Amino acid sequence: EVQLVESGGGLVQPGGSLRLSCAASGFSFSSYAMTWVRQAPGMGLEWVSTITGSGGSTYYADSVKGRFTISRDNSKNTLYLQMNSLRVEDTAVYYCAKGRAAAGSFYFDFWGQGTLVTVSS
Amino acid sequence: EIVMTQSPATLSVSPGERATLSCRASQTVTNLAWYHQKPGQAPRLLIYDASTRATGVPARFSGSGSGTEFTLTISSLQSEDFAVYYCQQYNKWPLTFGGGTKVEIK
Repeated sequence: EVQLVESGGGLVQPGGSLRLSCAASGFSFSSYAMTWVRQAPGMGLEWVSTITGSGGSTYYADSVKGRFTISRDNSKNTLYLQMNSLRVEDTAVYYCAKGRAAAGSFYFDFWGQGTLVTVSS
Repeated sequence: EIVMTQSPATLSVSPGERATLSCRASQTVTNLAWYHQKPGQAPRLLIYDASTRATGVPARFSGSGSGTEFTLTISSLQSEDFAVYYCQQYNKWPLTFGGGTKVEIK
């Protein structure tokens, strides 16, 4: 059974940093691209960042480019999102989502339950 | 950026009735997925490649369309289908989602 469990969310002041983690199990982690998608309170879904199965390619939304870094440790079956220079508008539930291939076909067949990041003074 | 526009924003439907949701892309796409999301839950994949049902998705869900116009049809709404539905294109970076259609009980 595929499981994705996010952690690392919490309350942080503007300008601060957080690192999110997503522990994966039930599938061959290195064979699939992984993605972070966020959802601000009461709002729709927003793609944040994607990393290919090998970790060789990464993609970012313009809204987070230069501030967030996606990475993965295939030996630990874990996905990360390092978030720096956080802004109030980064407040959202952050979901980890599994892709359908190592690269390409960037839609998401399994999602974690999400972790809430609140940026506020 | 490819902008995805969903309509209507809210659809009121009685159980057992048919629901038709629309998704329009600002430029031609060939790779489109549909998800639904219930309150307090993560999204769930329903359709990919515009018309292929994901594993375990009931046959009452069907996707159609091409180019810039896509449709998700739910043939006979069940109580568990009342949720928010999102389309997503994965043709080009950045990946983009539509704003969602809320399907509510009439």
